[in-house]
Amino acid sequence: DIQMTQSPSSLSASVGDRVTITCRASQSVSSYLSWYQQKPGKAPKLLIYAASSLQSGVPSKFSGTKSGTDFALTISSLQPEDFATYYCLQTYSIPPTFGQGTKVEVK
Amino acid sequence: EVQLVESGGGLVQPGGSLRLSCAASGFTVSNYYLNWVRQAPGKGLEWVSIIFSGGNTYHADSVKGRFTISRDNSRNTLYLQMNSLRVEDTAVYYCAREISSSPSFYNPLDYWGQGTLVTVSS
Repeated sequence: DIQMTQSPSSLSASVGDRVTITCRASQSVSSYLSWYQQKPGKAPKLLIYAASSLQSGVPSKFSGTKSGTDFALTISSLQPEDFATYYCLQTYSIPPTFGQGTKVEVK
Repeated sequence: EVQLVESGGGLVQPGGSLRLSCAASGFTVSNYYLNWVRQAPGKGLEWVSIIFSGGNTYHADSVKGRFTISRDNSRNTLYLQMNSLRVEDTAVYYCAREISSSPSFYNPLDYWGQGTLVTVSS
């Protein structure tokens, strides 16, 4: 199975901060990497697909990058509605595997 | 509008069975890959099962031999039959559609249901 190592597990940030979350795959996943936002009691929401493509309707403050087996999600200017938990997911091979999640909290 | 609506969750004793349903609208289930993903209380997301558009299925090792994913094309509905349930199966179960029609998307899960809670306890 491909392991997705996501970091940090949590972070504290202020409104307006630039925030970066990373995921490292244990082997190549090509660009089969997507990012999700989940708020308490809600289903995950797709933000980024194909490592760096913005899902329709998602604000451009979210961006994704890929370098080999390292992936990053950046929020350019954190807003109150962005405090949530974020997950990466690889769908390159079965079983699909999620990162452990990053909880973004208010500083 | 694409919608996924899960049902069938509830409280069940260890060793019991439950069948979850996921009613789809706005698209045809047989044209997409469909997944079940679960989330134990306070924990992260865990993939459970997938059914491909061609009908092949796969399950996580943790549920293999106990859970079965299926679909009814006439009802446009996805199912998860869960047998021999264990306390550790307690979770919110989500169904999720996977974009599989175009390789340029690289297969994200673009639509999710609201989830249904399964509690396994005596």
